[in-house]
Amino acid sequence: GQNIDQPTEMTATEGAIVQINCTYQTSGFNGLFWYQQHAGEAPTFLSYNVLDGLEEKGRFSSFLSRSKGYSYLLLKELQMKDSASYLCAVRDSNYQLIWGAGTKLIIKP
Amino acid sequence: ETGVTQTPRHLVMGMTNKKSLKCEQHLGHNAMYWYKQSAKKPLELMFVYSLEERVENNSVPSRFSPECPNSSHLFLHLHTLQPEDSALYLCASSRNGENSPLHFGNGTRLTVT
Repeated sequence: GQNIDQPTEMTATEGAIVQINCTYQTSGFNGLFWYQQHAGEAPTFLSYNVLDGLEEKGRFSSFLSRSKGYSYLLLKELQMKDSASYLCAVRDSNYQLIWGAGTKLIIKP
Repeated sequence: ETGVTQTPRHLVMGMTNKKSLKCEQHLGHNAMYWYKQSAKKPLELMFVYSLEERVENNSVPSRFSPECPNSSHLFLHLHTLQPEDSALYLCASSRNGENSPLHFGNGTRLTVT
């Protein structure tokens, strides 16, 4: 079967750096997405990786290793507003999106 | 404002009621989706419409009935639901294309009593 694994919950300190990992086992690969979802709100698109390597967007970066079935989302200079759930999703060979259950990130002062 | 608007935001209904969820997108997208989100579970795809035609129905019970009258509007008609159907129902839209991200609405929090 197809599976996306991410930690259920993480805690970090304001101003610090946190890395949220995502490992996947899917039938084929056609790209990986990261979304942010604040409680009671819509998931919003953060990043897309289809080739190996690091994509940087301001304080957020996303890394992909297709050979390892692995991605991470790196958040720098954490702010209280970064407290949210982070969802990893992979497009398989049929272009279906396979979703992880999300990682709830708690930022403490 | 996400560009995808869902109404109502909250809905409480009995098991014998009939209600409808509404979704509208203002992004010029040609694909629309219904997802179910339950606590600590991955998003579950329910229905996909591309160019107003249903292209996927992931074995969703018939008590959920989608309708897509045009590329900007999507409905989910609900009848004789069960308590386990209580969840957040998210609508999303996208352009067709493998790297096109989904744009989600804020969802309807449904409680079935």
